[in-house]
Amino acid sequence: AQSVTQLDSHVSVSEGTPVLLRCNYSSSYSPSLFWYVQHPNKGLQLLLKYTSAATLVKGINGFEAEFKKSETSFHLTKPSAHMSDAAEYFCVVSENDYKLSFGAGTTVTVRA
Amino acid sequence: GAVVSQHPSWVICKSGTSVKIECRSLDFQATTMFWYRQFPKQSLMLMATSNEGSKATYEQGVEKDKFLINHASLTLSTLTVTSAHPEDSSFYICSAMGALLEQYFGPGTRLTVT
Repeated sequence: AQSVTQLDSHVSVSEGTPVLLRCNYSSSYSPSLFWYVQHPNKGLQLLLKYTSAATLVKGINGFEAEFKKSETSFHLTKPSAHMSDAAEYFCVVSENDYKLSFGAGTTVTVRA
Repeated sequence: GAVVSQHPSWVICKSGTSVKIECRSLDFQATTMFWYRQFPKQSLMLMATSNEGSKATYEQGVEKDKFLINHASLTLSTLTVTSAHPEDSSFYICSAMGALLEQYFGPGTRLTVT
C-alpha cells in the first residue's frame, strides 16, 4: 500500500527567503513521487517527478526535491520564494505510475 | 502543453436532481481518465478510473450507481451525480493520462447541492 504524509499543513515565508515543504512516503515498491501545485481556480500543475533516476530532481519555477530512501522523504525546496508561489502544494506517490495517492496538502503563504 | 477542461466550473442543483460534469482533453487523446473528489481544505481522493470504451473502475466505497461515468471517446469523459444530496457537495476534479503516463488535471467543478 502507498501513502504520503505532508508534515506541515501551512507554511508561511517572507518573499525572497527559502521555502521547505516536507513529505514522507510509505510504499511497498520503488515508487514514483511527485509534487503538484494548485492555485485557486486552476488545475493542478506538475512541479516535478522522481522516477528512480537522479535523487535530486529539478522542477519548474525554481523548485527542486530530493529523494532520500533511507528517510523515506521527498522534501520540496525553493531557494527564494516569490509572491506567485502562494498556493496549495501536494506531495503524491504512485506505485504503478497511474494510481496516485495524494498527501493532505500544504498551504504556502508568502509575505511581502 | 496538454490541456484538460471541465464543464461546468460551478453548478448548483436541487436535492434529488442529477448533474453531469464533462472532462475534455483538448489537444491530446486520453485512453484513461480519472475522477477525483476534494473536500474543502483536504486532499484529492480518487473516485474512479475511466477507460475509453469500457466500464469505469470504482474505488472502494464509491457508489457506482450514484456516480455514473461514461468515457465514450478519447477526448471526453463524463461524471453524472445521480439523485444528488447535500453531502455530495464537493469539488470534483478530473485528470487525463497522456502518452508518457503523466496525468494532466482539469480546473475542477464545484458542485453545491441545496
